[in-house]
Parts: sequence; C-alpha cells; structure tokens
Amino acid sequence: NAGVMQNPRHLVRRRGQEARLRCSPMKGHSHVYWYRQLPEEGLKFMVYLQKENIIDESGMPKERFSAEFPKEGPSILRIQQVVRGDSAAYFCASSPTAGNTIYFGEGSWLTVV
Amino acid sequence: GESVGLHLPTLSVQEGDNSIINCAYSNSASDYFIWYKQESGKGPQFIIDIRSNMDKRQGQRVTVLLNKTVKHLSLQIAATQPGDSAVYFCAERQDEKLTFGTGTRLTIIP
Repeated sequence: NAGVMQNPRHLVRRRGQEARLRCSPMKGHSHVYWYRQLPEEGLKFMVYLQKENIIDESGMPKERFSAEFPKEGPSILRIQQVVRGDSAAYFCASSPTAGNTIYFGEGSWLTVV
Repeated sequence: GESVGLHLPTLSVQEGDNSIINCAYSNSASDYFIWYKQESGKGPQFIIDIRSNMDKRQGQRVTVLLNKTVKHLSLQIAATQPGDSAVYFCAERQDEKLTFGTGTRLTIIP
C-alpha cells in the first residue's frame, strides 16, 4: 500500500476551519476511494471517484464534505467548517479498474481542537 | 441493514502457534470478501481475498475459508510471528464499496 500517497499525514484544525486532504493513487490506477475510520472502529466508505467523475458518494455527509479527482493532480477530500466529530483517520484507496484489488494509503489523521 | 461483524474483538496467541480469526457476514448477496491487516498508525494492508464461488484460498502462511451456508469467513495464520500483531478486518465488497467489520486485535505472546 506504499504506492497510494496521502498528505498530510497529520493535520490539526480549529473548529470552523477547513481541512484539505490529498491523495495520489498508485501509478496506473484511475479509481479512487475515500474511507473514514473512528478510533477502535472499522473503516466506513465515503466516496468513490474516477477521473473527473464522482461515481458513488452515498457515504459522504450531506453538508461540509466534498471530494474531487481532477484530470490532473491528486484527489482532494475537503471538509469545511470542521467540528470535533470530524476528528478521525481518513484513508484513500485506489484500484486500476472496477472489480480489482483495492489498495489503501497510510491515512491522514485529522484532529479538530 | 447489512453488516459484517466479527465474533471476538481480541485474540492472544502464543508465538509459533496458528491463529484463527473469524468473521460473520449477513449479506447473502455478497460475492467477494477480503481480509486486511492494520498496524497501529498505518493503513489497511491487503492480505488475501476470496470469491463466493470458492470455499478456500491459500496464500503465504495464510488461508481464508468461506462457508456460505452459515455466512462465515475465517482467516488462518500459520506459525504466528511477532510481526503478525495487528488488527485484522474482514470486508465484503459490493458495487466497489467495501463494508468493514469492527476488527479483531491479534496479540502474540512471546
């Protein structure tokens, strides 16, 4: 999973600020996924994207959260007006095609103070 | 709703013994299952997967068993080593979405 690059690895934000998490998929992978993990819990699906398209955002909160995967550059998960409940580990994953193995990055740990 | 769950939250195993981690799933329509290993502060690492048309699959020191009759999945780790200490998650995939269980923490006793 070292091939999926996420940054920053750790991010501290005050309540009300914005958090931007970046993900570069493995080389040759055009499918990107974002998951959220709360302490001592399993990962929860948030969104599935392909280049320039959101395929499935059924796990995304209706407000404050957005994701994109532009034609050039990394995928971005954006959280506006963060609240303490947004504190979690956010994992990006990628796969080369649908139905293929999904590989995870090392995660971005967001702490809201 | 549908869910993937684990029987035991923690498992302690003597070094060198075999480990068995269990998982129950409830979505009978699931056709693809994966085991991930997650070490502290790291992302989930793919271990092994299995499709529903199989009941057993072997990798290096790991075996996954699938019992569709009782909707049960297990991960067997042979000759457990200290480096196997981690949280293990089973996950099922549908429509490119993974549904994870809460995880089993495997601790190796020297």
